Amino acid sequence: DTAVSQTPKYLVTQMGNDKSIKCEQNLGHDTMYWYKQDSKKFLKIMFSYNNKELIINETVPNRFSPKSPDKAHLNLHINSLELGDSAVYFCASSQDFGRRGRKSSPLHFGNGTRLTVT
Amino acid sequence: KQEVTQIPAALSVPEGENLVLNCSFTDSAIYNLQWFRQDPGKGLTSLLLIQSSQREQTSGRLNASLDKSSGRSTLYIAASQPGDSATYLCAVPDNYGQNFVFGPGTRLSVLP
Repeated sequence: DTAVSQTPKYLVTQMGNDKSIKCEQNLGHDTMYWYKQDSKKFLKIMFSYNNKELIINETVPNRFSPKSPDKAHLNLHINSLELGDSAVYFCASSQDFGRRGRKSSPLHFGNGTRLTVT
Repeated sequence: KQEVTQIPAALSVPEGENLVLNCSFTDSAIYNLQWFRQDPGKGLTSLLLIQSSQREQTSGRLNASLDKSSGRSTLYIAASQPGDSATYLCAVPDNYGQNFVFGPGTRLSVLP
C-alpha cells in the first residue's frame, strides 16, 4: 500500500484557472506538509499542518490554500494559476510536528504532482 | 535563517567505489538531520535520520555522521552500485524547529 499518495500525477492547465491537488496518508501521522520543487530542483516548504495548527511559509502567495478535511488528508487549492506556479508539488507526512528538544520521525513523501501552467 | 549546502553538486564514479557526500548547515542548534534519496520523476525516500544526541546512523551500505558543532554531516556509501544512482538530499529543521530545510542535493551517477 502506498503510504503517501497524491493525485493527479500530472496536471496541465491554463493561466487563470483554479485547480486542486489531493493528498492522503495512511500512516496515521499527525503532521502533513506541502513542498514545492522548482525547475532547479530546490525543495521549499509551503505549508505544514498539524491538526489545529497551520504553519504557512510567508513567501507563499495567498492564492495557495491548504484544506484538511481530516487528519489523513491535506489538499492543496490553487486559485488564478500563473505561469510561475509550474513546478512539482510534493505532499509529505511525519509522526510528530517537530519541536526543539523533541525527537522527530522521518518525513514520508508522495511521488509528486507535476503542474504545468500554459 | 537556516541554510543548507551540499557538495559536490554532481558526482560520477565507477561501480564498486566508496564515496562520501557532504552536507553543511548554518544553524547548529538542530535536533535531527535526515538524508533522502530522490529518483527521477519520483518523490523522496528517507534513508537515514540522525538525532542530535547521535553521532552516526547506519543502514546497510549507508552510514551517515553528524557533527553539530561544525554544522556538517556526511553520507558514506560503501561499494557503490548502479542502483545507487539518484539525487541525495539532506534536510535539517528550520530555526523554529517546525519545518525542514533541504539542501540542493548531490546528483550521483554510478557507472557499471
